[in-house]
Amino acid sequence: KAGVTQTPRYLIKTRGQQVTLSCSPISGHRSVSWYQQTPGQGLQFLFEYFSETQRNKGNFPGRFSGRQFSNSRSEMNVSTLELGDSALYLCASTADLNAYEQYFGPGTRLTVT
Amino acid sequence: AQTVTQSQPEMSVQEAETVTLSCTYDTSESDYYLFWYKQPPSRQMILVIRQEAYKQQNATENRFSVNFQKAAKSFSLKISDSQLGDAAMYFCAYRSPQGGSEKLVFGKGTKLTVNP
Repeated sequence: KAGVTQTPRYLIKTRGQQVTLSCSPISGHRSVSWYQQTPGQGLQFLFEYFSETQRNKGNFPGRFSGRQFSNSRSEMNVSTLELGDSALYLCASTADLNAYEQYFGPGTRLTVT
Repeated sequence: AQTVTQSQPEMSVQEAETVTLSCTYDTSESDYYLFWYKQPPSRQMILVIRQEAYKQQNATENRFSVNFQKAAKSFSLKISDSQLGDAAMYFCAYRSPQGGSEKLVFGKGTKLTVNP
């Protein structure tokens, strides 16, 4: 089985722009979670989707949004980018609710200049 | 809210020796899951080992084992016979079983260096 894939892998944007990141979970997995990883704050939970429904949301401003499609692929969007949004954005998928293991993708490295 | 603390930002170990990474957590829940994840440089994060809080027996996975002390809210990872490939960032993580959420609360990580 192919692993979790994230596109693009690297992205450079300017302050004020918006960006969309994509995550394709492992085939058959229905749950997708997003995390932001920065040197200062570490790994922080953004949101979680299951069967196209957002189940949980982290403590991030409304500029951060996401969605999940019927094929379980997920996107996250960040509008009005700020320098502090520069980070590695990780996506993880699980087979079902209460599955033990989350499988992580390689991440998208976003740099905001 | 739950918190996870890893007090060792960096650790080093000689190849073939044993190293223990520390993790403490704070929660008011009685049932939960604890995990250790490994993130090699420029590579994907992978699960090393997990522990269910209701299980008293410490989890083991080959050279990796944990020392789970529920009353002390401590969850340390022991790596035996360390190998060069063990060099990575190690993250301790907590997950609440309530509501079926997959949300993980991570510690800040410990960077492990393995010296040949």
